[in-house]
Amino acid sequence: DAMVIQNPRYQVTQFGKPVTLSCSQTLNHNVMYWYQQKSSQAPKLLFHYYDKDFNNEADTPDNFQSRRPNTSFCFLDIRSPGLGDAAMYLCATSRLGETQYFGPGTRLLVL
Amino acid sequence: SQQGEEDPQALSIQEGENATMNCSYKTSINNLQWYRQNSGRGLVHLILIRSNEREKHSGRLRVTLDTSKKSSSLLITASRAADTASYFCATGNTDKLIFGTGTRLQVFP
Repeated sequence: DAMVIQNPRYQVTQFGKPVTLSCSQTLNHNVMYWYQQKSSQAPKLLFHYYDKDFNNEADTPDNFQSRRPNTSFCFLDIRSPGLGDAAMYLCATSRLGETQYFGPGTRLLVL
Repeated sequence: SQQGEEDPQALSIQEGENATMNCSYKTSINNLQWYRQNSGRGLVHLILIRSNEREKHSGRLRVTLDTSKKSSSLLITASRAADTASYFCATGNTDKLIFGTGTRLQVFP
């Protein structure tokens, strides 16, 4: 089935230790998004790719980076995770201007 | 700040009852969407209503939109225990969605 896949589902990292979260899609959508969702809060857009064009939200910390090596894959890199970065990270895809389809999310725990 | 504010923040009902959630937003929109999120999971798209539409149905869901009041409502009829989840409205143009604060719905069997 066409879908958005996120790996791992749960990630534990140490304070300051770089971590990479992965997202892949079989929908052939040209837009991919990363959201951060803290407990009991709304998802907050970090950045998105339209094809290879990277669009960063103004308030996304520099600590967060992203890579999209091809249409199917997109990575979220957190260079030096802090305790405040513990959250659910959601990947979504869409055709431009159309409905976004979300993956199951990766829950990040920072020790 | 977030585009959408939802109320109530939490809602508890019995199976078979109807659940109504409201969303208010601040600026003009092209469309408004509703998503469901089961605990610890990703978001599932429920329904999209365009700014020129006033009401839309999908199964047990009914969404209304009042652009003059900048508000929308989601009605779930004949609720089931499986409807237990958080519900978010989202507004945006083209490629950027801004989510509301969400309503946590608990449906008791």
